[in-house]
Amino acid sequence: DAKTTQPTSMDCAEGRAANLPCNHSTISGNEYVYWYRQIHSQGPQYIIHGLKNNETNEMASLIITEDRKSSTLILPHATLRDTAVYYCIVRVGGTGGFKTIFGAGTRLFVKA
Amino acid sequence: NAGVTQTPKFQVLKTGQSMTLQCAQDMNHEYMSWYRQDPGMGLRLIHYSVGAGITDQGEVPNGYNVSRSTTEDFPLRLLSAAPSQTSVYFCASSSRTSGDYTGELFFGEGSRLTVL
Repeated sequence: DAKTTQPTSMDCAEGRAANLPCNHSTISGNEYVYWYRQIHSQGPQYIIHGLKNNETNEMASLIITEDRKSSTLILPHATLRDTAVYYCIVRVGGTGGFKTIFGAGTRLFVKA
Repeated sequence: NAGVTQTPKFQVLKTGQSMTLQCAQDMNHEYMSWYRQDPGMGLRLIHYSVGAGITDQGEVPNGYNVSRSTTEDFPLRLLSAAPSQTSVYFCASSSRTSGDYTGELFFGEGSRLTVL
């Protein structure tokens, strides 16, 4: 699976959009981009995933560049409860989470 | 539907003791895995299984054994506990295929292990 690079930490004002970047320059054509987050010491929670097209769900939007070498997770209106560690992962899809490797992630601080 | 259940939630061991962390899921998921998370660090994959009777090593398998005799259960055994194994352990599961498959991993609440 391709490796990812994320900033160690980011700040965001409450109510503003949080834009979390991820570089995955060695991504293969059949690898998906996944985002998870971990609030405090809970188990990670799935947010969103995509292959080529931009995706949106009730939690967030995922923007993938045309060359697929980077992506951005957007939380449109960040709240204090969005303070968490966000993990960007790339892996082959359709294999049930087969050997999913997590990196260090980005620690997002949402401030009032 | 309980999802992924881990027991115990907390455990203190002495160096050299052995124990088993239990993980059970009731979603009929084929894929299960174990991660450990040290303070301030990301998750590291210990072992994983793609179905009953099939297991494989992850990033940090040394000192741990697993088996998968049923679809529901995936226990993690510490053979001879060491202080370096002090960590939070997470179990996760995922469906291998489904109609609207997303590859979503479902995590348990974690088991906090301290080895003295």
